[in-house]
Formats: sequence, structure tokens, C-alpha cells
Amino acid sequence: LAKTTQPISMDSYEGQEVNITCSHNNIATNDYITWYQQFPSQGPRFIIQGYKTKVTNEVASLFIPADRKSSTLSLPRVSLSDTAVYYCLDRQGGSYIPTFGRGTSLIVHP
Amino acid sequence: DVKVTQSSRYLVKRTGEKVFLECVQDMDHENMFWYRQDPGLGLRLIYFSYDVKMKEKGDIPEGYSVSREKKERFSLILESASTNQTSMYLCASSSTGDKDTQYFGPGTRLTVL
Repeated sequence: LAKTTQPISMDSYEGQEVNITCSHNNIATNDYITWYQQFPSQGPRFIIQGYKTKVTNEVASLFIPADRKSSTLSLPRVSLSDTAVYYCLDRQGGSYIPTFGRGTSLIVHP
Repeated sequence: DVKVTQSSRYLVKRTGEKVFLECVQDMDHENMFWYRQDPGLGLRLIYFSYDVKMKEKGDIPEGYSVSREKKERFSLILESASTNQTSMYLCASSSTGDKDTQYFGPGTRLTVL
């Protein structure tokens, strides 16, 4: 099974809600799921982190089901400035190595 | 404001040269990481360090080595650069208590001719 997978790209329009889902097929039992945002010519930056259920901050919400095999990043009412690549991060079972997904390129249209 | 800095934004080297990429963080973080980023492949971990003089291999350590002599500084070394090492290199750091909240530098775009 692939480690940590997410869609390659998504398109949306300003004002819509966007949900990006990541699959965590072999996630470590006690580790968090973390999401990052990356703009062109910049390093990724932390958005949100959770372990189970729902977490919300000023930027996004993160939904994690009880089995923790997936996570969904929810961006409410996106704007053009939300156009970026979004990465999920977890740790594989038995490993200390952080594993990023390959990233989802979100394009927000006017 | 927390900061991770990398020695160069752009670097051009020739095949066979020894290349040093430097990373410095000012947050007193225990953990430091080197990733390479390629289109369609996302971020892949090369090496990480959880303490001074300690290092662990990531997913793609071949062709690279690292050095961490001081807590704030983590160096990535390409002993003999090759064209397939042309990439974006990103450094990050995190604290032991919050290890997956990583702070990234701006990246170094390395081109090997």
C-alpha cells in the first residue's frame, strides 16, 4: 500500500469551501496528522494538526475519523490567496521518519 | 519571529564538485531536517538530526552526508555532485515536544551542470 496519498490537484472558485483528503494507510498509533501550505518560492508552513475528531483554527478545520486512516483539510470560503500546494504529514508505523504526501495543488479561480 | 535561514537561494555547480548547503535556526530546536523537493514527488527526507552530532537517514540518503556540530546549524554535503541532484533543497527544524510542527527555510535551488 502507498504510504501517504492525496490528490494531485484541485480547482475551486472564490467563496467556496474546499476539502482535501489524505489517506494514511500505515500511520503510527500515537502520532499526529499535520497539514502544511506552500506558496511558490517559499518553504512550507504549518497550518493545522490533529490526532482524532475535529480541530479548528483561524485558518482551517481538520477532520480525522476514529480509525485515523484518512484526514480531511477543510478551507472555508477560499480566496485567490489560498492558491497553493497543500501537504499532509504523518509518521509511518514503527518509524520516526516524518512522511509527507506528494502535495495537492489547489487553484482558486475568480 | 522564528527563523530558519539557508545559505543560498540559488546555486549552480558542476558535476563532481563538492557542495555544501548550510542551514541555521534561531529557535533552539533539537530536531533539524533536510528535504529535497521535485515536481510530482513532493518532499522527500534526506537526513535528519535530533541532537548535536546525531544523524539519521531518511528515505533518500544516497549521495548525501550531513554534519551537525552545533545545535543551531545543520549542513548537507554532496560529496560529488551529479546532475540528478539538481533540485530544490529545503531545511526545517522542530522541537522535541512538538516534533511535527516543522519550520522551513526558504529553500536552495541547486543546479548541477
